[in-house]
Amino acid sequence: KNEVEQSPQNLTAQEGEFITINCSYSVGISALHWLQQHPGGGIVSLFMLSSGKKKHGRLIATINIQEKHSSLHITASHPRDSAVYICAVLGGNAGNMLTFGGGTRLMVKP
Amino acid sequence: NAGVTQTPKFRILKIGQSMTLQCTQDMNHNYMYWYRQDPGMGLKLIYYSVGAGITDKGEVPNGYNVSRSTTEDFPLRLELAAPSQTSVYFCASSQGGYTFGSGTRLTVV
Repeated sequence: KNEVEQSPQNLTAQEGEFITINCSYSVGISALHWLQQHPGGGIVSLFMLSSGKKKHGRLIATINIQEKHSSLHITASHPRDSAVYICAVLGGNAGNMLTFGGGTRLMVKP
Repeated sequence: NAGVTQTPKFRILKIGQSMTLQCTQDMNHNYMYWYRQDPGMGLKLIYYSVGAGITDKGEVPNGYNVSRSTTEDFPLRLELAAPSQTSVYFCASSQGGYTFGSGTRLTVV
């Protein structure tokens, strides 16, 4: 079993829909990151969370430390949101290294 | 601030050739990393560094070398390129938050 599990692996939505991507982890963490990667593109850090909720524009990220679960929500989705979304956790190791989930490939159709 | 700068963006190498992928950050981050990403796959850690003069192997270090003579620079060296090293390479730095470079797409033919 992977330490970081994301669901769904693939997601297709219509423009305007509310989208939720889930991340569960099995290890103790000091922080959780949500990353975005557009096709053929670089990797952008969307959020870093250690508790509660953060919002940036149409993106909302939440984390429940007790349940070891985080969600990324996209409101009023748009085709430009089409990308791979990656959950990654920071476990407090000496190298400050991330453990990555397998990613969720999102396609938003107009 | 430029963040994390990687060069080159694209490169084609012949089998057996050598090259260095450059990575520079201007955020004074202690931690730096090299990842590779194969098509349709996740990121795999090649090498990392917790500060100048200190480097350590990640998950897939074979065929690569690194150095960290300054806080800013973390070059990745391929000595004898092999087709299995065809991949997209990402450099990242961290001091709490993570910042990724834009990637280097390497093809070995």
